[in-house]
Amino acid sequence: EIVLTQSPATLSLSPGETATLSCRASQSVGSYLAWYQQKPGQAPRLLIYDASNRASGIPARFSGSGAGTDFTLTISDLEPEDFAVYSCHQRSIWPFTFGPGTKVDAK
Amino acid sequence: EVKLVESGGGLVQPGGSLRLSCAASGFTFRTYNMNWVRQAPGKGLEWVSSISPTSSRIFYSDSVKGRFTVSRDDAQESLFLQMNSLRAEDTAVYYCARDSDVGYCRGSDCYSLALDLWGQGTMVSVS
Repeated sequence: EIVLTQSPATLSLSPGETATLSCRASQSVGSYLAWYQQKPGQAPRLLIYDASNRASGIPARFSGSGAGTDFTLTISDLEPEDFAVYSCHQRSIWPFTFGPGTKVDAK
Repeated sequence: EVKLVESGGGLVQPGGSLRLSCAASGFTFRTYNMNWVRQAPGKGLEWVSSISPTSSRIFYSDSVKGRFTVSRDDAQESLFLQMNSLRAEDTAVYYCARDSDVGYCRGSDCYSLALDLWGQGTMVSVS
């Protein structure tokens, strides 16, 4: 089973700053990595698929990069509604696993 | 409106059973691969099970294999999860989620690139 490790566990930032979140896979997943946003009491929301493609309706301030084992989600110019938990998810090898999440909270 | 709505969660004793349902609307349910994903309190997401259109391919995580059974009724546009022999560690919010229709193929097997539609979840507590 592929293990996804996310860092940092928590990121404390102010609106307008840039968030850089990392996801590392225990073995190569190619580009088959997705990112989700989850707010308290809500379902996950797809942000990025195939490492760098924004899902429908996702603002351009969200961007993904990486391939193989190392991936990054960047949120530029943080908006108040961006404070949430972000999880990565590999779609390369069964079972398709999730990372533990990075919480982005307000400083 | 495109949506998924789960129901059927509740409090059950260890060893008990529960059947979750997920009602789909606003899209052609019968053509999509569907999934159950759970999230224990304060924890990350965990994929539980997947079922393909026509139920031709079904997969389970090792943690639920032999205890949970996924099924679908395309006429009713519904997904189900029958959970037997429940354990305390099955306590979680259970989400149904749809595979995206963007995917890739590796040999003769094709996979979607993400889960693009999620329900609001239903809570299962085993205690």
